Amino acid sequence: DTGVSQNPRHKITKRGQNVTFRCDPISEHNRLYWYRQTLGQGPEFLTYFQNEAQLEKSRLLSDRFSAERPKGSFSTLEIQRTEQGDSAMYLCASTEQETQYFGPGTRLLVL
Amino acid sequence: QKEVEQNSGPLSVPEGAIASLNCTYSDRGSQSFFWYRQYSGKSPELIMFIYSNGDKEDGRFTAQLNKASQYVSLLIRDSQPSDSATYLCAVNPRGAGNMLTFGGGTRLMVKP
Repeated sequence: DTGVSQNPRHKITKRGQNVTFRCDPISEHNRLYWYRQTLGQGPEFLTYFQNEAQLEKSRLLSDRFSAERPKGSFSTLEIQRTEQGDSAMYLCASTEQETQYFGPGTRLLVL
Repeated sequence: QKEVEQNSGPLSVPEGAIASLNCTYSDRGSQSFFWYRQYSGKSPELIMFIYSNGDKEDGRFTAQLNKASQYVSLLIRDSQPSDSATYLCAVNPRGAGNMLTFGGGTRLMVKP
């Protein structure tokens, strides 16, 4: 499978716990994007990387959210001290030029 | 005003008809425009993109762009029940490093 992969696909956690999601982009793609999608809404941009450099992070929803791409390959998105409002689908996309291809997403439920 | 606006629907069309989905955007400097299809519980899947004014056809799909009116549309010819999904319009705003701004999506229902 040469598409974008994300793990885990589903995560249930209790409020206050930390969670980390992983995204593996298409291998030749140097740009990687994170989005969040809540029910009935379109995806909302969070942050993106070009290789290992995080070029935009002002859209991260709060300082509880952080992302890394240490070697310019896979990326992780961490949410600390989760809140019920963090329940959503977290989507990763990668691109070589302009067209973004999405992974299957990680669905987070915070109880 | 939302940056990208779509009618949430549902838009209901009979099988075999043309479905017309519309999207307006606020940033006049936007450079590129995308249509994604999203089935319930799944991630967005790219249908097509358009950069220049006019029409772009790909199989049963035609994207139309009018930058003067800040309007982009998607036509689906010979609609099939399998086309029933939410269609997301996405815009790459000016100088935004290719981040996409999405509309809320239009739910399309194709009835047999």
